[in-house]
Amino acid sequence: IVLTQSPGTLSLSPGERATLFCRASQSVSSSYLAWYQQKPGQAPRLLIFGASSRGTAIPDRFSGSESGTDFTLTISRLEPEDSAVYYCQQYGSLPWTFGQGTKVEIK
Amino acid sequence: QVHLVESGGGLVKPGGSLRLSCAASGFSFSDNYMSWIRQAPGKGLEWISFISDNDKTIYYSDSVKGRFTISRDNAKKLVYLQMNSLSAEDTAVYYCARCGDARSGFFGFDPWGQGTLVTVSS
Repeated sequence: IVLTQSPGTLSLSPGERATLFCRASQSVSSSYLAWYQQKPGQAPRLLIFGASSRGTAIPDRFSGSESGTDFTLTISRLEPEDSAVYYCQQYGSLPWTFGQGTKVEIK
Repeated sequence: QVHLVESGGGLVKPGGSLRLSCAASGFSFSDNYMSWIRQAPGKGLEWISFISDNDKTIYYSDSVKGRFTISRDNAKKLVYLQMNSLSAEDTAVYYCARCGDARSGFFGFDPWGQGTLVTVSS
């Protein structure tokens, strides 16, 4: 399954809402879609699994949704520490695959 | 606290071999599924291998199948990645991650280790 993320880069101000998209080339089994945040020099961190369930200790300003083969990660109120690359990943069909990433910049 | 620590990375010549280790703590390792994921410098993420809790189910990506071998030692809380016939395209940071358990099923990769860098160069 090919995952295509958009936009490539998002530049927003603190307090604004960020909407990140991930389109799958085919249906993702059991809504097995996750989102990760990766900051420079760090390992990725799980934000969302099962398309819409937040990971452990993830703030509720991060939310995920799905509509068919389209998945969305929303950051309701951006904070400076949200500057990172965000990846979607499907784990419903082998090989498990990642999107190419969306870079979120905070102005 | 759930914690994973990779080791074993380094510089290796093309055609060479390397074995990575991932030490787990803070959770019931023997009940959990584990994976290896890699990230080439400046690039995105690539899942490469999975092993079930009892090591009866193992998967590989096509890019490493036949060259890499995943294994685990539940008594020592370790998961390994034996890498053979390495080429420059295998240069990457290699991460281990927990990816599910028999009761909950799969839940994505959580947590991740800090990664270990493998550089394949002559």
